[in-house]
Amino acid sequence: ELKVEQNPLFLSMQEGKNYTIYCNYSTTSDRLYWYRQDPGKSLESLFVLLSNGAVKQEGRLMASLDTKARLSTLHITAAVHDLSATYFCAVDRKKTSYDKVIFGPGTSLSVIP
Amino acid sequence: NAGVTQTPKFQVLKTGQSMTLQCAQDMNHNSMYWYRQDPGMGLRLIYYSASEGTTDKGEVPNGYNVSRLNKREFSLRLESAAPSQTSVYFCASTRTYGYEQYFGPGTRLTVT
Repeated sequence: ELKVEQNPLFLSMQEGKNYTIYCNYSTTSDRLYWYRQDPGKSLESLFVLLSNGAVKQEGRLMASLDTKARLSTLHITAAVHDLSATYFCAVDRKKTSYDKVIFGPGTSLSVIP
Repeated sequence: NAGVTQTPKFQVLKTGQSMTLQCAQDMNHNSMYWYRQDPGMGLRLIYYSASEGTTDKGEVPNGYNVSRLNKREFSLRLESAAPSQTSVYFCASTRTYGYEQYFGPGTRLTVT
């Protein structure tokens, strides 16, 4: 059974600081995704990581994937208040001819001045 | 493009009542999903449809049924609502395997 874990679950950080969110998963996967959710809103796709060693960056966020370690990281550089949100990683485990995505529990990020 | 739309946005039901949540996408996506989101639980997959004409169970299918009416529409039905089904329900779609999902705005359901 595929399990996805994230840590930390809650993160309060000061503006200007750097931090990393970790996503671990339990079985082999073909794809890993990062999503952002603002309070009371829907989810928005941030990154799709397709292979071992993949790295993607958008603004102050950078995501990477190590399929051998079954680990993805979301690194935040010089945090700003606008990054306050909940971040989810999700892992895609293709099963026969169907696809299935399992989400982690989410990391609630609060950036304080 | 409207993307993924869901109706209704809010709903209050009494225990034992039934209802159908509607979802439609206009992106010509093949795969569609229904999730529920509960505090501290992340998103849990209820049902998914890899393509038109097919549906399959996710992690938490009990108490729900789905219909993939056509390529655009994927509905979720609660036959006899229970307080444990109080949650926020999200519909999502994706082109196919390996692409990111696009989410609807959600339906906030309360069962009393």
